Amino acid sequence: GDSVTQMEGPVTLSEEAFLTINCTYTATGYPSLFWYVQYPGEGLQLLLKATKADDKGSNKGFEATYRKETTSFHLEKGSVQVSDSAVYFCALSGSGGYQKVTFGTGTKLQVIP
Amino acid sequence: NAGVTQTPKFRILKIGQSMTLQCAQDMNHNYMYWYRQDPGMGLKLIYYSVGAGITDKGEVPNGYNVSRSTTEDFPLRLELAAPSQTSVYFCASSLQEINQPQHFGDGTRLSIL
Repeated sequence: GDSVTQMEGPVTLSEEAFLTINCTYTATGYPSLFWYVQYPGEGLQLLLKATKADDKGSNKGFEATYRKETTSFHLEKGSVQVSDSAVYFCALSGSGGYQKVTFGTGTKLQVIP
Repeated sequence: NAGVTQTPKFRILKIGQSMTLQCAQDMNHNYMYWYRQDPGMGLKLIYYSVGAGITDKGEVPNGYNVSRSTTEDFPLRLELAAPSQTSVYFCASSLQEINQPQHFGDGTRLSIL
């Protein structure tokens, strides 16, 4: 079945550092890929998405490119802020008829001043 | 904009008690979902619904029941609570068009003692 693997955390960075969170997937067909963010005490929020190969999703300075050849969707940001501290989930939406979404286990990011 | 509203936010139950977690959405989404989030385990799908009157099991349905009498509401019932059901529960909804993101509530933190 479908699966998502993302790097384990926690990841600790200084403010203004470059961020990469790796995500790879296994799926049949042509899934859509998502990054969600979860702030403390809140539910998941969509950060960005890409629906086909070579698409780049972007939002709030975060970017991720759908790489079918490497089955990857790595999240990047050029300069992180303390307010980016959260848990980040990579996810895919496969061909399930009910919009089945498979989530990774999440990567906690802590940004220190 | 309310989005997805979950109640209660916190609850402590004794083993063997029952309770209902409430979920309501005001976005007219046909698809609704219940997940549980355990530390380091990502999200596991408990039940989902593709419309009023239609529900189906996800990955981990044992010990839970759902109903969907209206488009807006999707309550989750725990019968005979067990310590293994201690978790954070999230309700989500989405449009039925393919590749649409899910919208999450803020969660219910449930402890079974």
